[in-house]
Amino acid sequence: DAGVTQSPTHLIKTRGQQVTLRCSPKSGHDTVSWYQQALGQGPQFIFQYYEEEERQRGNFPDRFSGHQFPNYSSELNVNALLLGDSALYLCASSLASGGDTQYFGPGTRLTVL
Amino acid sequence: AQSVTQPDIHITVSEGASLELRCNYSYGATPYLFWYVQSPGQGLQLLLKYFSGDTLVQGIKGFEAEFKRSQSSFNLRKPSVHWSDAAEYFCAVGADDYKLSFGAGTTVTVRA
Repeated sequence: DAGVTQSPTHLIKTRGQQVTLRCSPKSGHDTVSWYQQALGQGPQFIFQYYEEEERQRGNFPDRFSGHQFPNYSSELNVNALLLGDSALYLCASSLASGGDTQYFGPGTRLTVL
Repeated sequence: AQSVTQPDIHITVSEGASLELRCNYSYGATPYLFWYVQSPGQGLQLLLKYFSGDTLVQGIKGFEAEFKRSQSSFNLRKPSVHWSDAAEYFCAVGADDYKLSFGAGTTVTVRA
C-alpha cells in the first residue's frame, strides 16, 4: 500500500519564478492538505483540498494556490517566488469521513536563490 | 484558534533512560491531539493520536502519551530510549476547521 508521495524531492528556483509541486495521496484518501515548514520551525498550514475545492486556507498570500484532480492528487503552485519561500513543503492526506488523522509525505525541499 | 506550545527546544537523554516531551495546547473544546516524529530530511511520521476515550494512548515504537484536560497537556513518554529515537518531535492539535496546528518541535539527542 503506497503512502503519500511527493515530487520533486528537491527544487532550486530564483526569485520571481513560479513553481509547481505535486502530491499523490495515500490509497483510499480523498483529502489533501499542504504545509510549509521553514528551517527549525513546525509545519504551517497552507490549505486543504476536498472534492476538488479549497476547503480551508491558512494565513498565506494569494501567490500560493492549489488544485485537486478527480483522482485526488494535488498540486501546489507558488508564483513570484521570494527568498522567504525557501522551505520544506509537506503534503498530507486524510479521509474526510475519518476524522483528522493526516498522513504526511516526505516533502519537497524548495530553495529560492 | 488553536495553538500548541512545546516548552523544550532540545533534550539530551542517555540511551536506555526514560524520555518525556511536554506539549501544552490552547483550544476551547476537546481537541484532536497528535504526536509526529521527523528524522532529518524526512517527512512526518505519526506516533500516536488522541480523539476521545481513554486518556492514556499507546503509539508505535514504544511511545505513549497522556491527555490531561485540567492542564491542557498531552505529554509524550518512552520508558527506555534507543539511539534510533534521536529525531525531532512535533505535537499538533486539530479542530473542526480541518487544519493541524503544530508546535515548534523538540529535538531529541540520544547519547551512548
